[in-house]
Amino acid sequence: NAGVTQTPKFQVLKTGQSMTLQCAQDMNHEYMSWYRQDPGMGLRLIHYSVGAGITDQGEVPNGYNVSRSTTEDFPLRLLSAAPSQTSVYFCASRLRLGPAKETQYFGPGTRLLVL
Amino acid sequence: RKEVEQDPGPFNVPEGATVAFNCTYSNSASQSFFWYRQDCRKEPKLLMSVYSSGNEDGRFTAQLNRASQYISLLIRDSKLSDSATYLCVVKRGGADGLTFGKGTHLIIQP
Repeated sequence: NAGVTQTPKFQVLKTGQSMTLQCAQDMNHEYMSWYRQDPGMGLRLIHYSVGAGITDQGEVPNGYNVSRSTTEDFPLRLLSAAPSQTSVYFCASRLRLGPAKETQYFGPGTRLLVL
Repeated sequence: RKEVEQDPGPFNVPEGATVAFNCTYSNSASQSFFWYRQDCRKEPKLLMSVYSSGNEDGRFTAQLNRASQYISLLIRDSKLSDSATYLCVVKRGGADGLTFGKGTHLIIQP
């Protein structure tokens, strides 16, 4: 199993450009999520999905869209990039088990710089 | 009050020493608790779940105090490879995402 994969690893955008961060998992996990990590802020939840066709907002959803057409893929779209979206983005997935067993697996991250 | 609070450190500890971190959480409805480890410029990885009765995994011991709403991590006989940032993580339950503390930076010195 490849686990959770993310592409690209690095990206530089100009303000106003749009792009899609790709995330895929091959573990048949129902739950997938996107976080951003900024210095001094910790990881913050952007959007999550509990299964194909179902998405919901996390703590910091503004400026981002997601979709979940398949169990495996959970892309994150930046509609019009802003410098405040410069961050490291992590995709994660987990099985929907009981609360004591929810190991969450993270992808390697995408480092985004918006100029 | 922040939902999950940790001392950011850094903790500078000699190799072989014992080190302990604490973490406090504000939401009494929290159901699941974890410690994650994050190496520099890498993704977080689960170190261990934290159970009400306390649990141990090799040199690592985690404890939960629901009454005082804090979680602890103890590392015995610390190794150079233990140098990392340790993230305290809390989950309310259901479909909620994980809530992360900002992390405690640990540096093990030879």
